[in-house]
Amino acid sequence: QSALTQPRSVSGSPGQSVTISCTGTTSDLGDSDYVSWYQQHPGKAPKLIIYDVTKRPSGVPDRFSGSKSGNTASLTISGLQADDEAEYFCSSSEGNWVWLFGGGTILTVL
Amino acid sequence: QVQLVQSGAEVKKAGASVKVSCKGSGYTFTGYFIQWVRQAPGQGLEWMGWIDPNSGRTKFAQKFQGRVTMTGDTSISTVYMEVTRLTSDDTAVYYCARDWYTGWSDVFDFWGQGTKVSVSS
Repeated sequence: QSALTQPRSVSGSPGQSVTISCTGTTSDLGDSDYVSWYQQHPGKAPKLIIYDVTKRPSGVPDRFSGSKSGNTASLTISGLQADDEAEYFCSSSEGNWVWLFGGGTILTVL
Repeated sequence: QVQLVQSGAEVKKAGASVKVSCKGSGYTFTGYFIQWVRQAPGQGLEWMGWIDPNSGRTKFAQKFQGRVTMTGDTSISTVYMEVTRLTSDDTAVYYCARDWYTGWSDVFDFWGQGTKVSVSS
């Protein structure tokens, strides 16, 4: 059960857009349409921000969007705000009731 | 409102065991699996396993099989996660999370506040 691959860090200026990638294999991301994304501020618990690749839970701004192509899922944050500075994790099921997380991407808002 | 409240921080010696609790409220406790995820200092999230509080059925990540136990007490809406034979590599914040079936997949929609477990040699 290997972790999904994410870039260690990304950055952007307020108002800009950034995209975070999450790469897996044919056994996990490639075989699943059900990727989720979590936001974690320092010292806090993770928060669900995207599920089923593109859906947002109630209360999550539409500045957050998700997509997937083949073995790679992406999270795009548009109109960057200072409070978006956090770590972001992707997650997917490996099947058979087993889950994987990405290594996490630290977003810095310049 | 949905809440998961975990037990407090623990400091253990290598070789000992630790048991962390997670109490749910604001929803039908037996209607949702509870997932456990840990995060070592400066590291990412690591999925550990889940428990169905209704049946007691469990499933663990391969690396934790034989060393982690999950149990539940539905009368007090609480699940427990015990890790035995602790090493310094088990130093981490341990989170419980509610498993929500979206209609297509399972995601972790509400999380506990985390329990810091420190293991010293």
